[in-house]
Amino acid sequence: SQKIEQNSEALNIQEGKTATLTCNYTNYSPAYLQWYRQDPGRGPVFLLLIRENEKEKRKERLKVTFDTTLKQSLFHITASQPADSATYLCALPHLYGNNRLAFGKGNQVVVIP
Amino acid sequence: KAGVTQTPRYLIKTRGQQVTLSCSPISGHRSVSWYQQTPGQGLQFLFEYFSETQRNKGNFPGRFSGRQFSNSRSEMNVSTLELGDSALYLCASSIGTGHTGELFFGEGSRLTVL
Repeated sequence: SQKIEQNSEALNIQEGKTATLTCNYTNYSPAYLQWYRQDPGRGPVFLLLIRENEKEKRKERLKVTFDTTLKQSLFHITASQPADSATYLCALPHLYGNNRLAFGKGNQVVVIP
Repeated sequence: KAGVTQTPRYLIKTRGQQVTLSCSPISGHRSVSWYQQTPGQGLQFLFEYFSETQRNKGNFPGRFSGRQFSNSRSEMNVSTLELGDSALYLCASSIGTGHTGELFFGEGSRLTVL
């Protein structure tokens, strides 16, 4: 079955540094991958989508890579700020249906001033 | 434009009761998906509706049901509530066509079952 793995341990990082999160998946070859941000008590907010034929995607201070051989996506926040503190979720199209996403459990980032 | 609106935001029920949650999608969005989020399981897909038809269904018991109205608004219902149903229920809307559409989530309905 489809598995999506994100680090369950929170990432504590000093302000100004680059935070790097990992999303690994198995038993699947998704056509794309998405990243969302979720703040406590709020719904997830879409950040970036990267397709299987794209190696890298950038949006402001965010950068996402997609390695279909390693079955892995890396999510980078450069020049991190305390406002970047949140949980970040990766999502892939579900193995058994379009128009539905399967989410990782998320990785919390804490940016220390 | 207005985002996805979910009501109620918080509710407390007791075991055996039923609950109905409501979701108003972004104007022009025809697809509405529902997810259950718990600390242990993360976000789990419940079902997706498009143009009043259930297009996808997750692996949840029949106590969980939903529907979509002609104006794209959606409701989900959970009958015979169990303690394990306590969760944040999230509704997400999207345009509904194509396979890469981003999801726009509401703030969720926090259900506590006592």
